[in-house]
Amino acid sequence: DAKTTQPPSMDCAEGRAANLPCNHSTISGNEYVYWYRQIHSQGPQYIIHGLKNNETNEMASLIITEDRKSSTLILPHATLRDTAVYYCIAGATSGTYKYIFGTGTRLKVLA
Amino acid sequence: DGGITQSPKYLFRKEGQNVTLSCEQNLNHDAMYWYRQDPGQGLRLIYYSQIVNDFQKGDIAEGYSVSREKKESFPLTVTSAQKNPTAFYLCASGRLAGNTGELFFGEGSRLTVL
Repeated sequence: DAKTTQPPSMDCAEGRAANLPCNHSTISGNEYVYWYRQIHSQGPQYIIHGLKNNETNEMASLIITEDRKSSTLILPHATLRDTAVYYCIAGATSGTYKYIFGTGTRLKVLA
Repeated sequence: DGGITQSPKYLFRKEGQNVTLSCEQNLNHDAMYWYRQDPGQGLRLIYYSQIVNDFQKGDIAEGYSVSREKKESFPLTVTSAQKNPTAFYLCASGRLAGNTGELFFGEGSRLTVL
């Protein structure tokens, strides 16, 4: 699985969009970009994934650059409950998911 | 409800004792995983299994053992050989192919060695 790089921490005002960047410059053609988040002392929760097209679901949007070397997770209207550690992972969708969870980005949403 | 159940949520053990953490899933997933998380750190893969009666070492398997006798169950034993076992342990499951590649995690087991 490709290595990813994320900023260690970010702050965002409540109600504003939170834009979390991720660098995955060594991603291979069959690897998807996944985003998970972990609220304190709980198991990580899947948010969204994509290959090369931008994706949106009820939780977030994922913007992937055309060269696929980086992506941005967007939480459109951050709430206090979005305070968590966000992990960006590059991995395949078949075979063994030996996903590498780095240290992620600690997002703090401020009232 | 479908999901992954880990038990116990909190566990204390004396040095030199083995302890087994339970992980059960009713999602009919083929693959199951054990991760370890230390304070302020990401998740590190201990063991994973793709099918019953088969499993592979992850990045930090030393001092741990697993079994996969049933598709639904993937218990992890932390042995006395694990030098620094105090950590938060997470179990996950997922399908092997033909889907999104999403992993489903349990709520975790927090092990403290006294």
